[in-house]
Parts: sequence; structure tokens; C-alpha cells
Amino acid sequence: QKEVEQNSGPLSVPEGAIASLNCTYSDRGSQSFFWYRQYSGKSPELIMFIYSNGDKEDGRFTAQLNKASQYVSLLIRDSQPSDSATYLCAGNTGFQKLVFGTGTRLLVSP
Amino acid sequence: EADIYQTPRYLVIGTGKKITLECSQTMGHDKMYWYQQDPGMELHLIHYSYGVNSTEKGDLSSESTVSRIRTEHFPLTLESARPSHTSQYLCASRDNFNYGYTFGSGTRLTVV
Repeated sequence: QKEVEQNSGPLSVPEGAIASLNCTYSDRGSQSFFWYRQYSGKSPELIMFIYSNGDKEDGRFTAQLNKASQYVSLLIRDSQPSDSATYLCAGNTGFQKLVFGTGTRLLVSP
Repeated sequence: EADIYQTPRYLVIGTGKKITLECSQTMGHDKMYWYQQDPGMELHLIHYSYGVNSTEKGDLSSESTVSRIRTEHFPLTLESARPSHTSQYLCASRDNFNYGYTFGSGTRLTVV
């Protein structure tokens, strides 16, 4: 079992819809979680991080963390074609390294 | 604007050549990392460093080596390149408060 698991997708949503990306983790000691966006051929770009249970909102993005159920999610409201990318979930296990999931590919159709 | 720089951006070289991929950051971060990523595939950690004179091998076995003589500089070297080394190499650093990584633009290496 991978430490951080994501569905590889692709997740297809129409423009203007809410995209929901999910991630589960196995290490209960994980303290914080990060969402990265990676466009094809580019390097990952940090878009959100979350430390506490509950929701954290930043513009069109909302990160959700449920430590009891060991899952993290990213909601993208009003999805745009420019949001089409691979979204990587990463957990901080406390060993100063992030553990990345394999990523979920998101396709937003006009 | 990126504060972590990788050079070259693209490199095509012949089998058996020695190459060094450069990575520098101006943020004063102690922690630096090298990842290998094939197109459409996951990130694989190949080396990391927690500070000057500290280097460790990552989760993926790699024939490359790294050094950390200065805080800002974390080069990766392949002594004898092979076609199996063809990949994208991403360098990242992390601030001392353990926020997320900042990635460089990457080096796309092709060994022919």
C-alpha cells in the first residue's frame, strides 16, 4: 500500500462545475498536506496546504482534511479549461520529506 | 518568480558521457531534493540533503551522485550516461519551517 494514494483519473468535468480531487494516506503521524498542480511538461506548483482538520479556502480552491478518516481533498469551484492538469497530493510524515501520490489528471472541457 | 534555478533546461548527450545537472536556490533553504519523473508518471525521490555536507539516497535507486558544499548549490552528476537515464530531473528546496517544496523548472535529459 502506498503511503499516499490518489485515483489516477482522468477526472472529467465541464467548465463551471466543481472538481473534487481526493487523496488518502496511511501514516497517522502525518501532520500536514500539500496540493500541487503540474501542467504537462512543467514542474509542480504548490497551490494549497492544510494542517488542521476541516476546510481551508483560497479563492476557487478549498482543501479539506479529515485526520480521523485519513483523507484529504481539493475542491475546485467554477472549473476552467486552464485548470486541466495533474494534481499531486503530498503528505509530510515528519521525516522532513514529502511523500507524493501518483497524481490525478483533471480534464475540464469547455 | 522562481528562486530555484536549474540548468540546463534541455540536454541531449551521447552514451557514456559524464554530465552534471545544476541546481541553485537563493532562499537560504537547508533542505534540497532531487526527483526523477518520466512523462505522465509519478515523482521518484533520488537524492536529498538537509544541509551542507549532508546527502542521502532517496527511495529510487539511482546511479547518480550529489554533493552539497554550499547551502545554495546542489548539483547532480551522472558519471556515465545511458539511455535508461533519459528522464526529467526536478530539483526542489524546502524552507526551514517545513512548508511545501519549491520546485525548479527541471532538466529534461535525453541520452542517445
